[in-house]
Amino acid sequence: GQQLNQSPQSMFIQEGEDVSMNCTSSSIFNTWLWYKQDPGEGPVLLIALYKAGELTSNGRLTAQFGITRKDSFLNISASIPSDVGIYFCAAFITGTASKLTFGTGTRLQVTL
Amino acid sequence: GAVVSQHPSWVICKSGTSVKIECRSLDFQATTMFWYRQFPKQSLMLMATSNEGSKATYEQGVEKDKFLINHASLTLSTLTVTSAHPEDSSFYICSARDSRAADTQYFGPGTRLTVL
Repeated sequence: GQQLNQSPQSMFIQEGEDVSMNCTSSSIFNTWLWYKQDPGEGPVLLIALYKAGELTSNGRLTAQFGITRKDSFLNISASIPSDVGIYFCAAFITGTASKLTFGTGTRLQVTL
Repeated sequence: GAVVSQHPSWVICKSGTSVKIECRSLDFQATTMFWYRQFPKQSLMLMATSNEGSKATYEQGVEKDKFLINHASLTLSTLTVTSAHPEDSSFYICSARDSRAADTQYFGPGTRLTVL
């Protein structure tokens, strides 16, 4: 099935650095979500974006819903070791079955 | 955020047996739940949409007789892997749609199935 294009695939950064990852689509979506998945666990919702152009923060995380409704980015500031994991973007159209289309994931490694 | 549980968290079974996995929304009612499958180092792949009180909708390529879904109440959906084989070994994750939160999906912790 369709997947969102997520980049980068993986990142190795030092503790304290800022991180940026993005997600693009050839189709328009009206809701964008960012999840984090730890090994052996289900994805945990980080940020939900419901309006084009919306910029939303959750602690050290900031995400934006692109104005074209075809992209979104996630920033993590001042990374810490517990930020390690896989970050997935996901998007859907409300009013339908609300099936999620997932990104391919960004694997984040944080070194001390 | 909303809480979704899954049981069991892991299961090991012999080839040919059937395994049932439960997905519960703990603090909200979910008319729609979703079942995903995830292979190592890959993204989640939707298997089926579970609708309370009606038949599940399966994605292309997913055998409905192999993966039986029952959504008998607003807080419980079950996935039964029938006559499991080693190639069915995977990480199965459910999610529940929260209509109170603009249909945002919340995920369970996943079930690791190993078929010997």
